[in-house]
Amino acid sequence: GQQLNQSPQSMFIQEGEDVSMNCTSSSIFNTWLWYKQEPGEGPVLLIALYKAGELTSNGRLTAQFGITRKDSFLNISASIPSDVGIYFCAGMNYGGSQGNLIFGKGTKLSVKP
Amino acid sequence: EAGVAQSPRYKIIEKRQSVAFWCNPISGHATLYWYQQILGQGPKLLIQFQNNGVVDDSQLPKDRFSAERLKGVDSTLKIQPAKLEDSAVYLCASSTRWQGLNEQFFGPGTRLTVL
Repeated sequence: GQQLNQSPQSMFIQEGEDVSMNCTSSSIFNTWLWYKQEPGEGPVLLIALYKAGELTSNGRLTAQFGITRKDSFLNISASIPSDVGIYFCAGMNYGGSQGNLIFGKGTKLSVKP
Repeated sequence: EAGVAQSPRYKIIEKRQSVAFWCNPISGHATLYWYQQILGQGPKLLIQFQNNGVVDDSQLPKDRFSAERLKGVDSTLKIQPAKLEDSAVYLCASSTRWQGLNEQFFGPGTRLTVL
């Protein structure tokens, strides 16, 4: 089945630093999404990307949909302690009968004040 | 607006026992999803309902897992009998519809431990 490779697995950074994580796939998607999950909670959608090459921002978060449609990255600028959590990429091919999300394994972010 | 509700939040059972999880989606959401999230991995879709009909259950281990959404609102997921490898967080999500670009809203999950 389709698999997403997400890297890095974990990151330990100082407050104020920028963060970059990425996701690659063996097959193409027509939608890329980035989620954040905090302990004891379900994932929450951060950014959705719908077109190859698209660059979208949400506050300090910026994500891009790769031109090949097989990759995406997420940047977080000027990290703060509340950015701590696990960030998941997810790919989806909507249309037709199904629009199932395929998730990566996540990047665990730790921020030191 | 109330979010997706799930219960129980935690469950510990012995292998070969049965267990059931309950989900109440956001009011008005026609589509309901059950995901399994094993520790250290992303969620994996088990089953997807549109109203009270199954859209996709291709990844549901049907020999032991079952799910229903009889009235098209809340849903139950059952495991019978449970195996050690079923230890995971079971997430329920809902969206307004299953086609197109609709955000899925996740509940807090039920953490299952099988001993």
